[in-house]
Amino acid sequence: DAGITQSPRYKITETGRQVTLMCHQTWSHSYMFWYRQDLGHGLRLIYYSAAADITDKGEVPDGYVVSRSKTENFPLTLESATRSQTSVYFCASLGVSGANVLTFGAGSRLTVL
Amino acid sequence: DQQVKQNSPSLSVQEGRISILNCDYTNSMFDYFLWYKKYPAEGPTFLISISSIKDKNEDGRFTVFLNKSAKHLSLHIVPSQPGDSAVYFCAASARWDTPLVFGKGTRLSVIA
Repeated sequence: DAGITQSPRYKITETGRQVTLMCHQTWSHSYMFWYRQDLGHGLRLIYYSAAADITDKGEVPDGYVVSRSKTENFPLTLESATRSQTSVYFCASLGVSGANVLTFGAGSRLTVL
Repeated sequence: DQQVKQNSPSLSVQEGRISILNCDYTNSMFDYFLWYKKYPAEGPTFLISISSIKDKNEDGRFTVFLNKSAKHLSLHIVPSQPGDSAVYFCAASARWDTPLVFGKGTRLSVIA
């Protein structure tokens, strides 16, 4: 399927566990982003990547790790999940449109108990 | 400190009337401004954008106005429809390829 897909869509885990959220896009877009959405905070940038093997921190990177070995994939890993990381996570990609129009995935809802 | 502010968490409008959603920003380097719409359990979807060289952009029922001197933009929806009920996010960036900074969102309810 064309587009941007996230998996899993829903995940429940326990404090201290490692969790990886997957993001895959089929457009070969150079840029990819991870945002989290929390009540009262809107969408906050966690990490982004301008190309394969190039990543950079966003506003709230602590506790997260990313990698970009292939252009189409941008996984987000919580190395030791905490309750404060309970959130909805959105992956997005950006092509060369000149207008910064991000296309978002459907989201991954993560609950950390 | 918040660079993009949406001071109204919610807005309720009657069907057929105009909806006006407001957004303020503090970073004078911002040149690209976008509005996204989000339904529950879905990702945000792009609605309309404007660059700093314009003060208005229209797309059907949706119009975005930009006032750079006031660092303010607004989204007008005319006429409002029940299907417009969603959370609307304002976003901005300095360049086309720098990460978007989002506001906290405004929940619009269009009442039939």
